[in-house]
Amino acid sequence: GAVVSQHPSRVICKSGTSVKIECRSLDFQATTMFWYRQFPKQSLMLMATSNEGSKATYEQGVEKDKFLINHASLTLSTLTVTSAHPEDSSFYICSARERTGMSMNTEAFFGQGTRLTVV
Amino acid sequence: AQSVSQHNHHVILSEAASLELGCNYSYGGTVNLFWYVQYPGQHLQLLLKYFSGDPLVKGIKGFEAEFIKSKFSFNLRKPSVQWSDTAEYFCAVNARSSASKIIFGSGTRLSIRP
Repeated sequence: GAVVSQHPSRVICKSGTSVKIECRSLDFQATTMFWYRQFPKQSLMLMATSNEGSKATYEQGVEKDKFLINHASLTLSTLTVTSAHPEDSSFYICSARERTGMSMNTEAFFGQGTRLTVV
Repeated sequence: AQSVSQHNHHVILSEAASLELGCNYSYGGTVNLFWYVQYPGQHLQLLLKYFSGDPLVKGIKGFEAEFIKSKFSFNLRKPSVQWSDTAEYFCAVNARSSASKIIFGSGTRLSIRP
């Protein structure tokens, strides 16, 4: 299957600083990328949908000013956690769907995730 | 909006036992359905998917799932589990009319006793 690369895999930052997480589709063009957050022993909660060249669509309850998403190209989306606090510590996962014209029948491929720890 | 329910939070089986994990979704329109697996310390992998056609879908590693539209269900099955099947299993749904976002169920932790 297609490969989605997420970087970094782990990051520790001080409270109040910002952290950028990158998500790249390595061998396909991704019109749409998704950012999820996974708490320990819980499911993936969709945070936002990132569309290339347009603003991201955030899920209810997700602060758009805190979690900045940029999808500048068909192979790269970034999530920046601004002014991070310990409660932002979590596992962040991106996924990408391949661009196939008008077809909605495509699976999503997932990155390996980023473990963020805010101290 | 679509939603997904996985009623089994934690399932414990012995090797060679048969497995069925429940998944129900809530959405009135046409959907795509997925089962993903997350092995300890690894990222999500697709087990199988249903887009259209035969409602009985076969995936990797001997897993299969059956889409029953009247019951809004997409249960995952395997006739004989192995210790290596120990993992977290997530059912997911994507409403075709939406902006293609995929919503996940709460997950089922499967533990296999050797």
